[in-house]
Amino acid sequence: AQSVTQLDSHVSVSEGTPVLLRCNYSSSYSPSLFWYVQHPNKGLQLLLKYTSAATLVKGINGFEAEFKKSETSFHLTKPSAHMSDAAEYFCVVSDATGANNLFFGTGTRLTVIP
Amino acid sequence: EAGVTQFPSHSVIEKGQTVTLRCDPISGHDNLYWYRRVMGKEIKFLLHFVKESKQDESGMPNNRFLAERTGGTYSTLKVQPAELEDSGVYFCASSMSLAGGYTFGSGTRLTVV
Repeated sequence: AQSVTQLDSHVSVSEGTPVLLRCNYSSSYSPSLFWYVQHPNKGLQLLLKYTSAATLVKGINGFEAEFKKSETSFHLTKPSAHMSDAAEYFCVVSDATGANNLFFGTGTRLTVIP
Repeated sequence: EAGVTQFPSHSVIEKGQTVTLRCDPISGHDNLYWYRRVMGKEIKFLLHFVKESKQDESGMPNNRFLAERTGGTYSTLKVQPAELEDSGVYFCASSMSLAGGYTFGSGTRLTVV
């Protein structure tokens, strides 16, 4: 079975400081992992995805995530937060067996303090 | 390219009424998905269409929910009769292939009072 745990429901950072949003996953198979972001009144936007290629995945807007199989983690990072990064972030897993529905974490709301 | 369009964006209905949500996927995307987020919970899968056929409806909560995709184009999700616990945000997504990325719509916020 697939599941995702986002360890923080809310993270606050100051503008210009690093961002770390934590995610641990559980999967019976080789997982595909994603981070999505939702800005207010917008749809879910794909930030990045891991599909068994390079373990360090670069996404849009300066975000990146590292797949660590030994730790079953897929944490999202960004070196320097911008005000426009304030949003809700979802870690998502999809197994690679062909069952293509996605399993979402409960979300982490990122606040950026000016 | 137009994205995934959902309407209405918001709907407030009384318990026992019927509501129909609509999703227009990206043109050419055979795969269409419905997801739902109830208050305070994670976003959960409801069902998956491939063209007009239901590929997987294991996430549908009960028989008050009926999804259709006439002609393999747009999809509707009907809730009849609506209950208080149906309140939440309903997302639609589409993709060209199973290996392809999903594009999500902005969601429909349903409030049942």
